Parts: sequence; C-alpha cells; structure tokens
Amino acid sequence: GAVVSQHPSWVICKSGTSVKIECRSLDFQATTMFWYRQFPKQSLMLMATSNEGSKATYEQGVEKDKFLINHASLTLSTLTVTSAHPEDSSFYICSTRGPGYEKLFFGSGTQLSVL
Amino acid sequence: SQKIEQNSEALNIQEGKTATLTCNYTNYSPAYLQWYRQDPGRGPVFLLLIRENEKEKRKERLKVTFDTTLKQSLFHITASQPADSATYLCALDTPTGGGNKLTFGTGTQLKVEL
Repeated sequence: GAVVSQHPSWVICKSGTSVKIECRSLDFQATTMFWYRQFPKQSLMLMATSNEGSKATYEQGVEKDKFLINHASLTLSTLTVTSAHPEDSSFYICSTRGPGYEKLFFGSGTQLSVL
Repeated sequence: SQKIEQNSEALNIQEGKTATLTCNYTNYSPAYLQWYRQDPGRGPVFLLLIRENEKEKRKERLKVTFDTTLKQSLFHITASQPADSATYLCALDTPTGGGNKLTFGTGTQLKVEL
C-alpha cells in the first residue's frame, strides 16, 4: 500500500497568520491527493481534490482563496490555510488512492489550533 | 445526495465478545463500500472493501456484509480485544463529474472493556 507522510502533526498559530501543511506520498506516485477536514465527533469532510500539475478541485462551500492547494510534483501536495481564524481550527488530513485506485491511504493528520 | 448513517452512540462491549457495527445509506447503492479504523488524533486506516456483488468479506477477525436491498453494511469484530477500541468509519464511493470520491459516515466509537 501507499505510505503518506503529513507534517506538521500539530500547529498553533495566531489569528491572521498563514499555515502550510505538507503531504508526501513516499512510495507511490500520487497524481491525485485528497484533503479532508474533521471537526470533533464529526465525519471527514472532503475539502478539495489536488491534481498534480493542474488546479485543485474544491468542494462546494470551500473557499479557494482561503485554502490554497499546490500539487507541484507526484509526491508532494501542500495545503495553506491563509489568514487563519479560530473557526479554521480543525483536524486536517490528506490522503491518496493506492495503486488499485479504490482504497485511500491517509496521512497522520494535522491538528490546527488558531488562537 | 448520499446520506450515510452510523450509530453515533458509542458501543461498549466486553472483551471476547463480537462487536457489530452498522452502516446504512439512503440513496443509490455504491459499487463498493469500505470500512476504516481511526484512532484519536490519527488518520483513518483502511480495513476492508466489499463490492456490490459480494455478500460477505472476511479478514482475520473482521467480517463485513453488504446488503444492497436493505442498503446496509454490517461490520463484525469477533473475539474483540481492548486494542480494537477505536472509531470505525464506513465509506461509500460517490460518482462525481470528474471521477469517484469517497463519502464517509460519522463513525461509531467502539470500546472493548476487560
């Protein structure tokens, strides 16, 4: 299966700052990566689909200018939360589909706390 | 849109017993259904996938059933152990204009007690 590395594991920042989260596919070339957000006791909500070499596809209601996604290579996708506010505090998780393109392999997640 | 329902209440069982978790969906039947395990503060980990033409799938102490008539999947853990304590998520593929995406249920928290 695919191994996905996500950093940082947690980050605390002040309101108004930007935070970048990295997601790396270590043993599989991921042309597509998925970014999810999860609030406590709630389901994973897909935010956007990151496509290597092209623009990301955002889900309805997700602000493109606030959640910037860059997928410049087959092994790295980044999510930047711009001008973060306390309501952006959440658990962010990236994932990619394995070679069979069915099951997902997830990163370990990033807990973002905006003060 | 597809709605996925899992028991929101935590399931507490005794070690050695069989845990049964339920996943119901409301709309079309997906081509396949998946179960994941999620530990606190971690990303989900894939457990099992079952296709629409399969009634049952097994992997070690895990068993998944898929009833497209009832629009339901059951997830069983036999001979449960405290290490099985976690949140279990079911996920369905959802066709979109650009390809399928997975939609997750809210998950059921399982606690296996000694």
